[in-house]
Amino acid sequence: EIVLTQAPATLSLSPGERATLSCRASQTFSGYLAWYQQKPGQAPRLLIYDTSNRAAGVPARFSGSGSGTDFTLTISSVEPEDFALYFCHQRSNWPPVTFGQGTRLEIK
Amino acid sequence: QEQLHQSGPGLVKPSGTLSLTCAVSGGSINSSDWWTWVRQPPGKGLEWIGDIYHRGNTNYSPSLKSRVTISLDKSKNQFSLSLHSVTAADTAVYFCARQRATVRFAMDVWGQGTTVTVSS
Repeated sequence: EIVLTQAPATLSLSPGERATLSCRASQTFSGYLAWYQQKPGQAPRLLIYDTSNRAAGVPARFSGSGSGTDFTLTISSVEPEDFALYFCHQRSNWPPVTFGQGTRLEIK
Repeated sequence: QEQLHQSGPGLVKPSGTLSLTCAVSGGSINSSDWWTWVRQPPGKGLEWIGDIYHRGNTNYSPSLKSRVTISLDKSKNQFSLSLHSVTAADTAVYFCARQRATVRFAMDVWGQGTTVTVSS
């Protein structure tokens, strides 16, 4: 099973700042890495799939990168609506599918 | 636009069976996608429960495998979750989702979520 570890657990930023969220895997894999945003009381929303591809309707300020065991979600300039919980997810070594424990992006 | 709509009880007694259904609208369950269940305990992260393909192939989380059954009903274009012998630790929000082949099996469509409480 691939364990995904996200850092930091909480990221405190002001609107307009750059956000960098990390997802580290317990073993190397290729592709099948996705990122989701979740707001309170809502289902997760797909942001990035296959490491770096934006899902339909996702603003260009969101980007994904990485390879091997280290993956990153970057928000170039945080907007007020971006403060939420973010999860990474892998489906490369499946089953099982695994998720990171989440990073909370909060207003500073 | 494809949508998933969940139904099922929000309260289950300890040792009972949790049963939820996810209806697919705007698309067919007979696609190259996988259909999955995920849960989220209060204040915690996401946990994958298992998934199913339209041919009936299933995969389950190792930690839940002995208690879980995922099935599908092609005539109703829906799939279902049964979790047996539940305890308070199974209290969570349960989501159904589609793992879409064209986005490398990321979960691109989600149900609205069902809050399930295990309590007598």
